[in-house]
Parts: sequence; structure tokens; C-alpha cells
Amino acid sequence: GAGVSQSPSNKVTEKGKDVELRCDPISGHTALYWYRQSLGQGLEFLIYFQGNSAPDKSGLPSDRFSAERTGGSVSTLTIQRTQQEDSAVYLCASSFRPGGGDTQYFGPGTRLTVL
Amino acid sequence: DQQVKQNSPSLSVQEGRISILNCDYTNSMFDYFLWYKKYPAEGPTFLISISSIKDKNEDGRFTVFLNKSAKHLSLHIVPSQPGDSAVYFCAARRGGGNKLTFGTGTQLKVEL
Repeated sequence: GAGVSQSPSNKVTEKGKDVELRCDPISGHTALYWYRQSLGQGLEFLIYFQGNSAPDKSGLPSDRFSAERTGGSVSTLTIQRTQQEDSAVYLCASSFRPGGGDTQYFGPGTRLTVL
Repeated sequence: DQQVKQNSPSLSVQEGRISILNCDYTNSMFDYFLWYKKYPAEGPTFLISISSIKDKNEDGRFTVFLNKSAKHLSLHIVPSQPGDSAVYFCAARRGGGNKLTFGTGTQLKVEL
């Protein structure tokens, strides 16, 4: 079975441009998470989707960041007017259901470099 | 404010010996802890977890110990194998919630 996939694997952009990062979760997983890992840092929670509930956006660092999840499956993380400090690996994870000890399965990540 | 800390950025161990990776946390509301393993260019993969109602959980070569009073957990790998060389992340969750709070990781190198 396919795992979590993310695209692109690498993205280089110029400061001020908008970028979109895509995540395809494992089929049947209702929960989807975005994290990012900056250089020398741990994974930082960004946003969480669960079914049709309102997403938990508490980890988004600024209003330049937004995410959506269409049809309860694919998710897109959008960063507007990118800044150099946005450079990081952006990781998506999915789980069958939230909490309850369910394991989050991670994709390979998108490495974003903002020049 | 780093709520989950892995103070050793790297660890080198000989094949066959025990690897001990440490993790400290500050938030007493955390009640579920996980270890993830990450190879280069791959996403983290779940390794083992422990609930706060336990102090030990074992799965094959991997054992996680939890000391709640010290807010400390450790991952023991024995015997260590070259394929265990990876970055290990400690993560914590509170109250069945959805967010994982991760440490900064420890790079384990198992040498022949």
C-alpha cells in the first residue's frame, strides 16, 4: 500500500513569491497534519485536519501560511510572500484517527529553500 | 520554549553494544511519548511509544523507559546494528490531543 506522498520533493523559490506544497495522505486516514523542520530544530506542528471539523491552525507561524484539505483527502499548504526564514523541510503526516495512541505516518517531506 | 529536549545531538556506538538515547520534557501535561526514527531524505517512522501509566515498554531490540518524576525518558537499543544509524526524535502528546511536540533529535551512528 502507498504511504504518505508529498510533492514537490524540493522547491527553490525567490523571496516574496508564493509556494504551494502538496500532501496525499494514506487512503482511509481521516487525520492529516503538517509539520516543519528548520535547520537544527525539531519538528514544529503547523496545522491539523480531522474529517469535516474545523482545522486546528494553532501552529501556523503567521497569516502568510494557510492550508486546505479538499474532499477529506489531499491537502495543500500555501505560503504567501515567502521569507528566508520559511526555508525548512515541510512534513505531512496522516493517521487513521486522532489521539487514542494512533500512529502518525509521515511523508518524505518537501525541502523548501527561499533565496 | 523547548518543551521536549534531546540534549545530545549525536551518539556513536559500536555494533553489538547498547545505544541509549535520552529525552527530557518540561510539560507535566504530556501523557504519551513516542520515538521516531528518521533516515536522510525520508520522513520520520514510528518506532515505539509509551503511555504515562507505564514505566517501560519493550519491542524486540527496542525498550523505552519513562521516569515521570524526573520527566525523563530513554530509548535503549540492544544490540545495536549498523542499520540503526539514523536520527532519533523523541515526541510527546497531551491528553489524547492531536499535536506532537518533538525534540531536536539525536544522530545515532553505529560503527562496525
